[in-house]
Amino acid sequence: ILNVEQSPQSLHVQEGDSTNFTCSFPSSNFYALHWYRWETAKSPEALFVMTLNGDEKKKGRISATLNTKEGYSYLYIKGSQPEDSATYLCAFWSTGTASKLTFGTGTRLQVTL
Amino acid sequence: EPEVTQTPSHQVTQMGQEVILRCVPISNHLYFYWYRQILGQKVEFLVSFYNNEISEKSEIFDDQFSVERPDGSNFTLKIRSTKLEDSAMYFCASSDPGYREDEKLFFGSGTQLSVL
Repeated sequence: ILNVEQSPQSLHVQEGDSTNFTCSFPSSNFYALHWYRWETAKSPEALFVMTLNGDEKKKGRISATLNTKEGYSYLYIKGSQPEDSATYLCAFWSTGTASKLTFGTGTRLQVTL
Repeated sequence: EPEVTQTPSHQVTQMGQEVILRCVPISNHLYFYWYRQILGQKVEFLVSFYNNEISEKSEIFDDQFSVERPDGSNFTLKIRSTKLEDSAMYFCASSDPGYREDEKLFFGSGTQLSVL
């Protein structure tokens, strides 16, 4: 059983704060690490697909880093806005599986004015 | 932007009844999936489907579950005899295999299944 963990479970920040979350995953049999953003009553939406050790990806105010050797990825949000409020899911894809993602528990972010 | 659509959004059924959850994946995608999330738990993989056959399934996906792509556009999940513990949000997803960096999943908005 693959162990994918996320921390913190939930986070409450003020508008304008910068924040970050952690995803830890197995350091062996790595194929890819996905980040999804899931707003209430909507579909989970892909933010990043990370494949190479040392990858850094950015989309607007959101960025992510990847360390496959130690098995962790960080997601950063700079200058949080209320519309960033969502659950952020990471998902690990190991080699030898046909697109089977193993999800973490998610980090629920609430941004208030 | 193309999207994955799922129907119904909510389904209530009696224990022991059969249910069919329906999905229309993005039209040029080749891989199709079902995931589910029981309230308070992680999103968990059920099955992946490619080239008209199951490519991988989890231990959850037992003989009570089946998938079908009956007409080239719909992708269905059938639960033959529902149990209370099948109550969950069921997500369909599709992807377009290409470079590893592009293999993100596109999810539908889910069907909330309640088994009474």
